[in-house]
Amino acid sequence: DAKTTQPNSMESNEEEPVHLPCNHSTISGTDYIHWYRQLPSQGPEYVIHGLTSNVNNRMASLAIAEDRKSSTLILHRATLRDAAVYYCILTPSGTYKYIFGTGTRLKVLA
Amino acid sequence: GAGVSQSPRYKVAKRGQDVALRCDPISGHVSLFWYQQALGQGPEFLTYFQNEAQLDKSGLPSDRFFAERPEGSVSTLKIQRTQQEDSAVYLCASSPRRIYGYTFGSGTRLTVV
Repeated sequence: DAKTTQPNSMESNEEEPVHLPCNHSTISGTDYIHWYRQLPSQGPEYVIHGLTSNVNNRMASLAIAEDRKSSTLILHRATLRDAAVYYCILTPSGTYKYIFGTGTRLKVLA
Repeated sequence: GAGVSQSPRYKVAKRGQDVALRCDPISGHVSLFWYQQALGQGPEFLTYFQNEAQLDKSGLPSDRFFAERPEGSVSTLKIQRTQQEDSAVYLCASSPRRIYGYTFGSGTRLTVV
């Protein structure tokens, strides 16, 4: 299974954009890139996913490098409620099993 | 309800006791998953159901762990003769037939003393 590498922790000021990086140098052509986040005492929550093109939704944007060896989750205006652990996960097409790493713990400063 | 419901929210078990953890998935969701999350770690896959069929149980750590979903809706994860290393949060997730965008419950925190 292809692995991802994320920083252990990051800090951001409230109402500023946040760029959360993820390296996945061994990604294969059929691997989707998923992002989930986990707020304290809750289960993981789906954020966004993509394959090759950049993606936007109401929660965030996903920027995927042209060679697909890295991606960045962008929160456009961080709020205190965005403080969570963010997981970048690779999932081959058709797979159902997620392999979580330890994620990036995002701290948002008021 | 609108989300995945898990009960109990917290469970304290004495070592050697059997426990049963319940998951109520979103109505109509075909796929159901169980994950185990140790403190400070990401969730780890335990097992997968499609309707009532258990298609993958490769992540169950030992034969003390057993999961069922007899009618294709509610699922129960049973742990027999609990050990201290079973202490973790047990997460349930469900999804519609398409596989993207799983919805997780808030989990059951199991503490074995």
